[in-house]
Amino acid sequence: DGGITQSPKYLFRKEGQNVTLSCEQNLNHDAMYWYRQDPGQGLRLIYYSQIVNDFQKGDIAEGYSVSREKKESFPLTVTSAQKNPTAFYLCASSMGVGVEQYFGPGTRLTVT
Amino acid sequence: KNQVEQSPQSLIILEGKNCTLQCNYTVSPFSNLRWYKQDTGRGPVSLTIMTFSENTKSNGRYTATLDADTKQSSLHITASQLSDSASYICVVSAREYGNKLVFGAGTILRVKS
Repeated sequence: DGGITQSPKYLFRKEGQNVTLSCEQNLNHDAMYWYRQDPGQGLRLIYYSQIVNDFQKGDIAEGYSVSREKKESFPLTVTSAQKNPTAFYLCASSMGVGVEQYFGPGTRLTVT
Repeated sequence: KNQVEQSPQSLIILEGKNCTLQCNYTVSPFSNLRWYKQDTGRGPVSLTIMTFSENTKSNGRYTATLDADTKQSSLHITASQLSDSASYICVVSAREYGNKLVFGAGTILRVKS
């Protein structure tokens, strides 16, 4: 069963704690992306990776970090430096940059 | 600034009726324009993708149109069903920026019986 999985679906953390969101794909896609979605706004790009061991900052990378040690995995860490971390986080993947992106089911992070 | 504006913000229609959602963009030049459907609490799913040379593309009851001259696109939904209730997102790929995707805020559609 091919696709993108994100876990967990809901995540709750206390302010000041780092938290890592998981994203795994078995589509053999080279490129992976992390987006943040807030009510009334379009998706905003946090980080993207075109190939293993390489990643680039998106429009709102401050307070986030990523790694790409394996082709299938692109975890996102929300650090305590992120001022407004509560949001819906979406991971996506594609064969390459500029082609169709396939999205995971998302993780809703709530920080109190 | 590259932008994608969608209207209306939200829409309520009766089951079986048609509706049209609008998308205006300033992204230029662009590679393609996409429409996604996003159910509440889920990831977006692609409905259509059009290059600048295409005027219309259909996917079942969904038909997207594109006017590259006026930088406008629309998504027409025919004979709406309750399952069409979702957010519909217009996305433009900016060729100048390595085909970066620029997302609209979406139109929230509710179909009621």
